[in-house]
Amino acid sequence: EVRLLESGGGFIHPGGSLRLSCAASGFTFSIYDMSWVRQAPGKGLQWVSAISGSGGDTYYADSVKGRFTISRDNSKNTVYLQMNSLRAEDTAVYYCAKTPGHWKFDYWGQGTLVTVSS
Amino acid sequence: DIVMTQSPDSLAVSLGERATINCKSSQSVLYSSNNKNYLGWYQQRPGQPPKLLMYWASSRESGVPDRFSGSGSGTDFTLTISSLQAEDVAVYYCQQYYSTPPTFGQGTKVEIK
Repeated sequence: EVRLLESGGGFIHPGGSLRLSCAASGFTFSIYDMSWVRQAPGKGLQWVSAISGSGGDTYYADSVKGRFTISRDNSKNTVYLQMNSLRAEDTAVYYCAKTPGHWKFDYWGQGTLVTVSS
Repeated sequence: DIVMTQSPDSLAVSLGERATINCKSSQSVLYSSNNKNYLGWYQQRPGQPPKLLMYWASSRESGVPDRFSGSGSGTDFTLTISSLQAEDVAVYYCQQYYSTPPTFGQGTKVEIK
């Protein structure tokens, strides 16, 4: 059974940093791209970032480029999202999603809430 | 970026009746070399993460009931629930994966009348 478990969310002041983690199990982690998708409270879905299975290729939404960094450790079956210079508009539930090619998302974690507020 | 627009924003349907959700993309998501539409549909039940229902516009994900069907090509797509069940109460999103960044529609909330 595929499982994705996010952690690392919380309350942070504007300008601060957080690192999200997503622990994966139930599939061969290293051969799949992984993504982060966020959902602001009461709003729709926004793709944030993705990383190839090897970790050699990374992709970012314009709204987070230069502030967020995605990475992965295939020995730990974990993908990370380092978020710096956080803004109020980054407040959202952040989902980790398995990405079986072509930017579609076939399994999602339960999400972790990030709240950026002064 | 490709803009995805869904209609309606919400709809209320009686149990056992048909629900139809429309999705329009600002440019074609049909890749001519393989004749595939790079369009997916997701269901998000209250308090839950999204779940992939359909991909390639009309292929049903494993385990998805056959009352769900997808149709359309190019820029216009439809998700149909042929006989609404109580567990289908959710917000439904279309998503294009034709180009980066992948983008979602604003969502359509389906309720029981």
